[in-house]
Amino acid sequence: EAGVAQSPRYKIIEKRQSVAFWCNPISGHATLYWYQQILGQGPKLLIQFQNNGVVDDSQLPKDRFSAERLKGVDSTLKIQPAKLEDSAVYLCASSFGPGDSPLHFGNGTRLTVT
Amino acid sequence: GEDVEQSLFLSVREGDSSVINCTYTDSSSTYLYWYKQEPGAGLQLLTYIFSNMDMKQDQRLTVLLNKKDKHLSLRIADTQTGDSAIYFCAPGVSGSARQLTFGSGTQLTVLP
Repeated sequence: EAGVAQSPRYKIIEKRQSVAFWCNPISGHATLYWYQQILGQGPKLLIQFQNNGVVDDSQLPKDRFSAERLKGVDSTLKIQPAKLEDSAVYLCASSFGPGDSPLHFGNGTRLTVT
Repeated sequence: GEDVEQSLFLSVREGDSSVINCTYTDSSSTYLYWYKQEPGAGLQLLTYIFSNMDMKQDQRLTVLLNKKDKHLSLRIADTQTGDSAIYFCAPGVSGSARQLTFGSGTQLTVLP
């Protein structure tokens, strides 16, 4: 079974620039999550999709962050404009369904904002 | 919301047992997961326990759950250098759309 795929692995941008991350979940997984992991901290949920609908985006800074999952499979997360404090690892995870099945994580995208 | 607490660091000698502890606040948690994160990688599911269980053993891993005290522990027997990583516990609620909540993780260092 192929795992969760994310790209790019690394990204360095200047503040006020924009950036996008891509995620392809495990085939058949209906639920997709984007987490932000700041160095030394645990992952913090940004947004959760069930198929192509948003379940929870309460912790997504909507003035600068956006995410979509148009066909219920792949997802993109965008930051525009980036701030220094957005430097983090952005992890995508997927699960068969919410609540009852474990999350499977990708290797993440490490973002550095200078 | 759910709060999850873990000690930040643990060092053990190779071959010893490691015990990583976790406390959580939400008594409605029905699944409790343990994840491992190696440098530069995502989180890897290690094991999990249902809330109606006290103990689960999976090869070198033993999970103990004290539901009354909302305390979870992960014991790694015969700890190896390859076990050096950050370990996260994450409670979940069956059938709920609520996402898992992660603590800050415990950095396990295995000394030769």
